[in-house]
Amino acid sequence: AQSVTQLDSQVPVFEEAPVELRCNYSSSVSVYLFWYVQYPNQGLQLLLKYLSGSTLVKGINGFEAEFNKSQTSFHLRKPSVHISDTAEYFCAVSSGGSQGNLIFGKGTKLSVKP
Amino acid sequence: NAGVTQTPKFQVLKTGQSMTLQCAQDMNHEYMSWYRQDPGMGLRLIHYSVGAGITDQGEVPNGYNVSRSTTEDFPLRLLSAAPSQTSVYFCASRTDPGHHFAGELFFGEGSRLTVL
Repeated sequence: AQSVTQLDSQVPVFEEAPVELRCNYSSSVSVYLFWYVQYPNQGLQLLLKYLSGSTLVKGINGFEAEFNKSQTSFHLRKPSVHISDTAEYFCAVSSGGSQGNLIFGKGTKLSVKP
Repeated sequence: NAGVTQTPKFQVLKTGQSMTLQCAQDMNHEYMSWYRQDPGMGLRLIHYSVGAGITDQGEVPNGYNVSRSTTEDFPLRLLSAAPSQTSVYFCASRTDPGHHFAGELFFGEGSRLTVL
């Protein structure tokens, strides 16, 4: 069975500092990997996704993530965060089977302080 | 530019009452799903549908029913509400270009349900 582990439930950082949000997955088959962001009192929206090809994926708002098959990781990074990046971030995995249903991690709350 | 619309946004129920959470999308997506979000638990899949007349269970289906009579609508029914169903519910739809089941999920803004 697939599962997703987000290693940090909360990450506080100062504005303009770099940040990394960690995600590990377990699956015995090839996977699709996603990062979604949820701003307060809103639904989730897609940041980026990895389907195949280049292991470095660039998304919206300056975020990027690197797929590492040997370490089964898909960590999200941003070189310089802004106050507006304060949100909860979810990593998700799908094998494409089961109609592509996404399995979500428990989320990481990023808090950017001035 | 509506996307995925959920109603109501807030609801308070008493234990044992029934209700329906409505979800509609105007993007002609075949795939639709319901998730619940609880603090520290992430999002868990309740039910999903791959087209009109086709539904299936997700990870946490007990206590919930769904139907899909049209492509646009995917209501979620609570037959006899319990305090354990207090949660935020999200409806999401997806298009699957090339049928690889890897398309982007579009989420509604959520329905916050409290069961007393």
